[in-house]
Amino acid sequence: SSELTQDPAVSVALGQTVRITCQGDSLRSYYASWYQQKPGQAPVLVIYGKNNRPSGIPDRFSGSSSGNTASLTITGAQAEDEADYYCNSRDSSGNHGEVFGGGTKLTVL
Amino acid sequence: EVQLVESGGGLVQPGGSLRLSCAASGFTFSSYWMSWVRQAPGKGLEWVANIKQDGSEKYYVDSVKGRFTISRDNAKNSLYLQMNSLRAEDTAVYYCARLGLQLWLNQAWFDPWGQGTLVTVSS
Repeated sequence: SSELTQDPAVSVALGQTVRITCQGDSLRSYYASWYQQKPGQAPVLVIYGKNNRPSGIPDRFSGSSSGNTASLTITGAQAEDEADYYCNSRDSSGNHGEVFGGGTKLTVL
Repeated sequence: EVQLVESGGGLVQPGGSLRLSCAASGFTFSSYWMSWVRQAPGKGLEWVANIKQDGSEKYYVDSVKGRFTISRDNAKNSLYLQMNSLRAEDTAVYYCARLGLQLWLNQAWFDPWGQGTLVTVSS
């Protein structure tokens, strides 16, 4: 099955811009989706497809992709953005399943 | 409001069985692929299984093949996960999620998610 790799932890100063990356061969075939998870809560979709935000997600969240790397960018990070972020894509190995990255813990300083 | 509510979690002994349920509301359940995703304590997310709108296609992560069965009842707007031969490593919060699938655009996503139900496998 495919694998997606994320940095375990990233930090950003309040109001600054941060990029969270996700690498994997499946990203050459499929767009990534991104999820925000705060402690004790279910994940919430923040970006999917080329760069689509669900209703209610602030426009400071954006997504991009190049080759085998997908990125989630938060422009002007807020204290409430501190959370775990997971990328996900279809598994390109042919098992008709999905794969998640290991997650990135974002700290807003 | 689109909503998913899981139930059925609990403590079970290794080798035991458990059936999880997910009640859907606020959308046309029969029009969507549905999924189960789990998260072991302190760990990341792991996809478990997908089921097509009419139940004709089902896919599983290798670690649960032959032990877990995903199913649905569109008349009851409900998704299920029958878990047999449970192991300690199956201990996790199990989330029900709606799968958005647009293969012609090379994209898929999970939205929304339920609140999760905890399964603990221990003697």
